[in-house]
Amino acid sequence: GNSVTQMEGPVTLSEEAFLTINCTYTATGYPSLFWYVQYPGEGLQLLLKATKADDKGSNKGFEATYRKETTSFHLEKGSVQVSDSAVYFCASRRNTDKLIFGTGTRLQVFP
Amino acid sequence: NAGVTQTPKFQVLKTGQSMTLQCAQDMNHNSMYWYRQDPGMGLRLIYYSASEGTTDKGEVPNGYNVSRLNKREFSLRLESAAPSQTSVYFCASSEGSPSLYNSPLHFGNGTRLTVT
Repeated sequence: GNSVTQMEGPVTLSEEAFLTINCTYTATGYPSLFWYVQYPGEGLQLLLKATKADDKGSNKGFEATYRKETTSFHLEKGSVQVSDSAVYFCASRRNTDKLIFGTGTRLQVFP
Repeated sequence: NAGVTQTPKFQVLKTGQSMTLQCAQDMNHNSMYWYRQDPGMGLRLIYYSASEGTTDKGEVPNGYNVSRLNKREFSLRLESAAPSQTSVYFCASSEGSPSLYNSPLHFGNGTRLTVT
């Protein structure tokens, strides 16, 4: 079936550090892949997406590359800010199936 | 620019009580969804509606009912609340049909429900 696995948190970083949050997927075929972000007290917002292999999604300094060979979609940012503190969800959607979310990774950035 | 609006923000129920969670979107989206969010489990789909007048079960529909009242509104009802339904509930909408695989979801800010 279609599933998403992402690294457990929390991830704790100092401001300006490099961020990686790992995400791998299992699916037959080639799903579309997404990263959503949830700021405290709010709903989820789409951060970026990639719909085919080798696509790179990017937004607000975050990037993720769709890697078919490793079935991964890791989220990266070169220099995090305190305002990036949030919960990040990887998600996958294949054809007419519904969106499947990972369990979320909490990021805490300290000044 | 309200987007997706959910009410109430917080609710405490006793076991066996009933309540309805309200959701409305002003983006003229076709599809609407109800998710629950639990620690360590991410988001799980309860019900969804591809268009006005249609509803379908998601992963965890037991104990819930839904109504797509019109294109804007999609409510979630708990007929007899149980402690296992303590969770944060999110409503979402998307422009395309649920089968439009790269159509993003727009979420409300959630309802935190506690059942004692």
